[in-house]
Amino acid sequence: QKEVEQNSGPLSVPEGAIASLNCTYSDRVSQSFFWYRQYSGKSPELIMSIYSNGDKEDGRFTAQLNKASQYVSLLIRDSQPSDSATYLCAVTSGTGRRALTFGSGTRLQVQP
Amino acid sequence: GAGVSQSPSNKVTEKGKDVELRCDPISGHTALYWYRQSLGQGLEFLIYFQGNSAPDKSGLPSDRFSAERTGGSVSTLTIQRTQQEDSAVYLCASSRGQEIYEQYFGPGTRLTVT
Repeated sequence: QKEVEQNSGPLSVPEGAIASLNCTYSDRVSQSFFWYRQYSGKSPELIMSIYSNGDKEDGRFTAQLNKASQYVSLLIRDSQPSDSATYLCAVTSGTGRRALTFGSGTRLQVQP
Repeated sequence: GAGVSQSPSNKVTEKGKDVELRCDPISGHTALYWYRQSLGQGLEFLIYFQGNSAPDKSGLPSDRFSAERTGGSVSTLTIQRTQQEDSAVYLCASSRGQEIYEQYFGPGTRLTVT
Protein backbone atom coordinates (compact mmCIF):
# COMPACT_ATOMS: atom_id res chain seq x y z
CA GLN A 1 0.00 0.00 0.00
CA LYS A 2 1.35 3.40 -0.99
CA GLU A 3 1.81 5.88 1.85
CA VAL A 4 0.00 8.67 -0.01
CA GLU A 5 -2.58 7.76 -2.63
CA GLN A 6 -4.13 9.91 -5.30
CA ASN A 7 -6.21 9.12 -8.34
CA SER A 8 -3.93 9.76 -11.31
CA GLY A 9 -6.76 11.15 -13.45
CA PRO A 10 -7.05 12.94 -15.70
CA LEU A 11 -9.86 14.76 -13.94
CA SER A 12 -11.65 16.81 -16.53
CA VAL A 13 -13.94 19.69 -15.51
CA PRO A 14 -15.50 22.53 -17.51
CA GLU A 15 -14.35 26.08 -17.00
CA GLY A 16 -16.13 27.67 -14.04
CA ALA A 17 -16.89 24.37 -12.32
CA ILE A 18 -15.57 23.11 -8.99
CA ALA A 19 -12.68 20.66 -9.21
CA SER A 20 -12.38 18.22 -6.31
CA LEU A 21 -9.05 16.47 -5.74
CA ASN A 22 -8.67 13.76 -3.15
CA CYS A 23 -5.83 12.17 -1.24
CA THR A 24 -5.58 9.45 1.39
CA TYR A 25 -2.58 8.68 3.56
CA SER A 26 -1.60 5.65 5.58
CA ASP A 27 0.48 7.07 8.45
CA ARG A 28 -1.84 7.95 11.32
CA VAL A 29 0.77 10.22 12.94
CA SER A 30 1.13 12.45 9.88
CA GLN A 31 0.89 16.02 11.10
CA SER A 32 1.28 18.37 8.16
CA PHE A 33 -0.47 18.27 4.81
CA PHE A 34 0.25 20.18 1.63
CA TRP A 35 -1.01 20.61 -1.88
CA TYR A 36 1.41 21.46 -4.65
CA ARG A 37 0.62 22.37 -8.24
CA GLN A 38 3.04 21.26 -10.92
CA TYR A 39 2.88 22.42 -14.51
CA SER A 40 4.46 20.20 -17.12
CA GLY A 41 8.23 20.64 -17.12
CA LYS A 42 8.19 22.85 -14.02
CA SER A 43 8.88 22.28 -10.35
CA PRO A 44 6.14 21.91 -7.70
CA GLU A 45 4.57 25.12 -6.43
CA LEU A 46 3.05 25.22 -2.95
CA ILE A 47 -0.59 26.30 -3.02
CA MET A 48 -2.05 25.15 0.31
CA SER A 49 -1.00 23.84 3.70
CA ILE A 50 -3.30 22.48 6.40
CA TYR A 51 -2.47 21.18 9.85
CA SER A 52 -5.76 20.69 11.71
CA ASN A 53 -9.09 19.07 10.96
CA GLY A 54 -11.59 21.10 9.02
CA ASP A 55 -11.48 23.50 6.11
CA LYS A 56 -8.94 26.12 5.16
CA GLU A 57 -9.77 28.59 2.43
CA ASP A 58 -7.42 30.73 0.35
CA GLY A 59 -8.98 32.51 -2.58
CA ARG A 60 -10.45 29.95 -4.96
CA PHE A 61 -8.78 27.07 -3.09
CA THR A 62 -10.14 25.18 -0.09
CA ALA A 63 -8.23 22.41 1.63
CA GLN A 64 -10.14 19.94 3.78
CA LEU A 65 -8.58 17.61 6.34
CA ASN A 66 -10.12 14.67 8.17
CA LYS A 67 -7.47 12.95 10.28
CA ALA A 68 -9.87 10.27 11.55
CA SER A 69 -10.48 9.15 7.98
CA GLN A 70 -6.87 9.92 6.93
CA TYR A 71 -8.20 11.99 4.09
CA VAL A 72 -7.27 15.38 2.67
CA SER A 73 -8.86 17.11 -0.29
CA LEU A 74 -8.48 20.22 -2.38
CA LEU A 75 -11.39 22.09 -3.91
CA ILE A 76 -10.80 24.59 -6.70
CA ARG A 77 -13.76 26.88 -7.28
CA ASP A 78 -14.41 28.66 -10.59
CA SER A 79 -11.83 26.47 -12.33
CA GLN A 80 -9.83 28.17 -15.07
CA PRO A 81 -7.91 26.64 -17.98
CA SER A 82 -4.76 27.96 -16.25
CA ASP A 83 -5.50 25.57 -13.37
CA SER A 84 -4.77 22.64 -15.69
CA ALA A 85 -1.79 20.96 -14.07
CA THR A 86 -0.84 18.00 -11.90
CA TYR A 87 -1.74 18.42 -8.24
CA LEU A 88 0.48 16.68 -5.73
CA CYS A 89 -0.61 15.82 -2.22
CA ALA A 90 2.23 15.70 0.32
CA VAL A 91 2.37 14.78 3.99
CA THR A 92 5.02 14.73 6.67
CA SER A 93 5.36 11.18 7.86
CA GLY A 94 6.14 10.22 11.39
CA THR A 95 6.58 12.26 14.49
CA GLY A 96 9.07 15.06 14.04
CA ARG A 97 10.01 14.21 10.48
CA ARG A 98 10.12 17.15 8.13
CA ALA A 99 10.60 15.28 4.87
CA LEU A 100 7.56 15.18 2.63
CA THR A 101 6.05 12.02 1.24
CA PHE A 102 4.29 12.73 -2.03
CA GLY A 103 1.44 11.09 -3.82
CA SER A 104 1.84 10.40 -7.50
CA GLY A 105 -0.41 13.34 -8.38
CA THR A 106 -3.74 13.95 -10.07
CA ARG A 107 -3.76 15.52 -13.50
CA LEU A 108 -6.47 18.16 -13.79
CA GLN A 109 -7.76 19.35 -17.14
CA VAL A 110 -10.04 22.38 -17.22
CA GLN A 111 -11.94 22.54 -20.49
CA PRO A 112 -12.64 26.04 -21.87
CA GLY B 1 12.56 38.13 -2.87
CA ALA B 2 14.64 35.54 -4.63
CA GLY B 3 13.47 31.96 -4.54
CA VAL B 4 15.46 28.76 -4.35
CA SER B 5 18.05 28.59 -7.09
CA GLN B 6 19.70 25.48 -8.52
CA SER B 7 22.50 24.89 -10.95
CA PRO B 8 23.02 23.62 -13.52
CA SER B 9 19.52 23.49 -14.96
CA ASN B 10 20.52 20.57 -17.16
CA LYS B 11 23.37 18.12 -16.91
CA VAL B 12 24.26 15.33 -19.31
CA THR B 13 26.96 12.97 -18.14
CA GLU B 14 28.40 9.64 -19.11
CA LYS B 15 27.80 6.57 -17.03
CA GLY B 16 30.49 6.21 -14.38
CA LYS B 17 31.28 9.94 -14.07
CA ASP B 18 30.72 11.97 -10.91
CA VAL B 19 28.36 14.95 -10.86
CA GLU B 20 27.73 17.82 -8.46
CA LEU B 21 24.43 19.64 -8.21
CA ARG B 22 24.12 22.92 -6.37
CA CYS B 23 21.28 24.49 -4.40
CA ASP B 24 21.03 27.99 -2.95
CA PRO B 25 18.04 28.23 -0.57
CA ILE B 26 15.81 31.21 0.11
CA SER B 27 17.62 33.71 2.32
CA GLY B 28 16.81 33.13 5.97
CA HIS B 29 15.57 29.57 5.48
CA THR B 30 17.37 27.21 7.82
CA ALA B 31 16.00 23.93 6.46
CA LEU B 32 17.06 22.51 3.11
CA TYR B 33 15.82 19.37 1.37
CA TRP B 34 16.81 17.38 -1.69
CA TYR B 35 14.26 15.33 -3.61
CA ARG B 36 14.31 13.67 -6.98
CA GLN B 37 11.51 13.14 -9.44
CA SER B 38 11.53 10.43 -12.03
CA LEU B 39 8.82 8.91 -14.19
CA GLY B 40 8.87 5.56 -12.49
CA GLN B 41 9.26 6.67 -8.88
CA GLY B 42 7.42 9.95 -8.55
CA LEU B 43 8.85 12.54 -6.20
CA GLU B 44 11.03 11.02 -3.47
CA PHE B 45 12.92 12.46 -0.53
CA LEU B 46 16.71 12.17 -0.47
CA ILE B 47 18.21 14.20 2.39
CA TYR B 48 17.32 16.99 4.83
CA PHE B 49 19.47 19.59 6.59
CA GLN B 50 18.30 21.68 9.55
CA GLY B 51 20.67 24.27 10.91
CA ASN B 52 23.69 22.65 12.55
CA SER B 53 21.93 19.36 13.30
CA ALA B 54 23.06 16.10 11.77
CA PRO B 55 21.36 15.66 8.38
CA ASP B 56 18.55 13.17 7.84
CA LYS B 57 20.06 10.93 5.16
CA SER B 58 17.37 8.27 5.30
CA GLY B 59 16.26 8.79 1.70
CA LEU B 60 19.62 8.45 -0.03
CA PRO B 61 19.31 5.43 -2.37
CA SER B 62 22.92 4.28 -2.18
CA ASP B 63 26.34 5.25 -0.85
CA ARG B 64 27.12 6.80 -4.23
CA PHE B 65 24.95 9.72 -3.13
CA SER B 66 26.15 12.31 -0.66
CA ALA B 67 25.36 15.90 0.19
CA GLU B 68 26.83 18.67 2.22
CA ARG B 69 25.71 22.06 3.31
CA THR B 70 28.36 24.66 3.94
CA GLY B 71 27.85 27.60 6.28
CA GLY B 72 24.20 26.71 6.76
CA SER B 73 23.33 27.95 3.29
CA VAL B 74 24.41 26.51 -0.07
CA SER B 75 24.18 22.75 -0.50
CA THR B 76 25.85 20.41 -2.96
CA LEU B 77 24.49 16.98 -3.88
CA THR B 78 27.16 14.68 -5.27
CA ILE B 79 26.50 11.50 -7.19
CA GLN B 80 29.55 9.32 -7.74
CA ARG B 81 29.90 6.75 -10.51
CA THR B 82 26.59 7.73 -12.07
CA GLN B 83 24.28 5.05 -13.40
CA GLN B 84 21.49 5.35 -15.95
CA GLU B 85 18.88 4.87 -13.24
CA ASP B 86 20.15 8.09 -11.66
CA SER B 87 18.59 10.03 -14.54
CA ALA B 88 15.90 12.23 -13.00
CA VAL B 89 15.08 15.79 -12.05
CA TYR B 90 16.79 16.68 -8.79
CA LEU B 91 14.81 19.21 -6.80
CA CYS B 92 15.93 21.29 -3.88
CA ALA B 93 13.51 22.88 -1.42
CA SER B 94 13.88 25.11 1.59
CA SER B 95 11.73 26.13 4.52
CA ARG B 96 12.06 28.52 7.42
CA GLY B 97 12.71 25.53 9.67
CA GLN B 98 11.77 24.80 13.27
CA GLU B 99 7.96 24.79 13.41
CA ILE B 100 7.43 26.22 9.92
CA TYR B 101 6.99 23.33 7.53
CA GLU B 102 6.08 24.87 4.20
CA GLN B 103 8.70 23.89 1.63
CA TYR B 104 9.44 25.92 -1.49
CA PHE B 105 11.06 24.25 -4.45
CA GLY B 106 13.73 25.42 -6.82
CA PRO B 107 13.51 24.90 -10.58
CA GLY B 108 15.42 21.62 -10.44
CA THR B 109 18.36 20.10 -12.26
CA ARG B 110 17.57 17.62 -15.01
CA LEU B 111 20.24 14.94 -14.95
CA THR B 112 20.65 12.61 -17.90
CA VAL B 113 23.12 9.75 -17.66
CA THR B 114 24.06 8.29 -21.04
